[in-house]
Amino acid sequence: EVQLVESGGGLVQPGRSLKLSCAASGFTFSDYNMAWVRQAPKKGLEWVATISYDGSSTYYRDSVKGRFTISRDNAKSTLYLQMDSLRSEDTATYYCARTGRYWGQGVMVTVSS
Amino acid sequence: DIQMTQSPPSLSASLGDKVTITCQASQNINKYIAWYQQKPGKAPRQLIRYTSTLVSGTPSRFSGSGSGRDYSFSISNVESEDIASYYCLQYDNLWTFGGGTKLELK
Repeated sequence: EVQLVESGGGLVQPGRSLKLSCAASGFTFSDYNMAWVRQAPKKGLEWVATISYDGSSTYYRDSVKGRFTISRDNAKSTLYLQMDSLRSEDTATYYCARTGRYWGQGVMVTVSS
Repeated sequence: DIQMTQSPPSLSASLGDKVTITCQASQNINKYIAWYQQKPGKAPRQLIRYTSTLVSGTPSRFSGSGSGRDYSFSISNVESEDIASYYCLQYDNLWTFGGGTKLELK
């Protein structure tokens, strides 16, 4: 059974950093591109970033370019999202996803002073 | 970047109705569109991929169609468990979600 479990969320002040993790199981992690998607409270879904199966290519939405870094450790079957210079508008539930078909349960990130 | 315009933002239906949601892409997306259902507090659930392919476990009352820039998603015979928000996603060039449609009971 495919499982994706996010962790690392919480309350953080504006301008600070946070690193999210997504532990994958039930499939060969290194075979798949992975993505982060977020959803602000009471808002719609928003793609954040994608990383290729081998980590060689990364893609970001414009509003997080230069602040967020997506990475992966295929040996640990884990996806990461390093979030720096956080802003209040980054407040959201963050989901990791595999090919759009499988999603984690989400982790909440609140950016507030 | 590809933009996805989803309509309507909200929809009111009676049990047994047929409802249709549309998504228009800012450019041809070559049928690379998926549709999702999301209930409050839950992760999105993929119902349809590649325009019209039902994902395993998706009831047959759900359907999708379209080509080029214009796509639609329908639920025939709406059931109470279908009350949720629905999103389209283009994955022809990175990912872009539509704004969502909230389906409510009339």
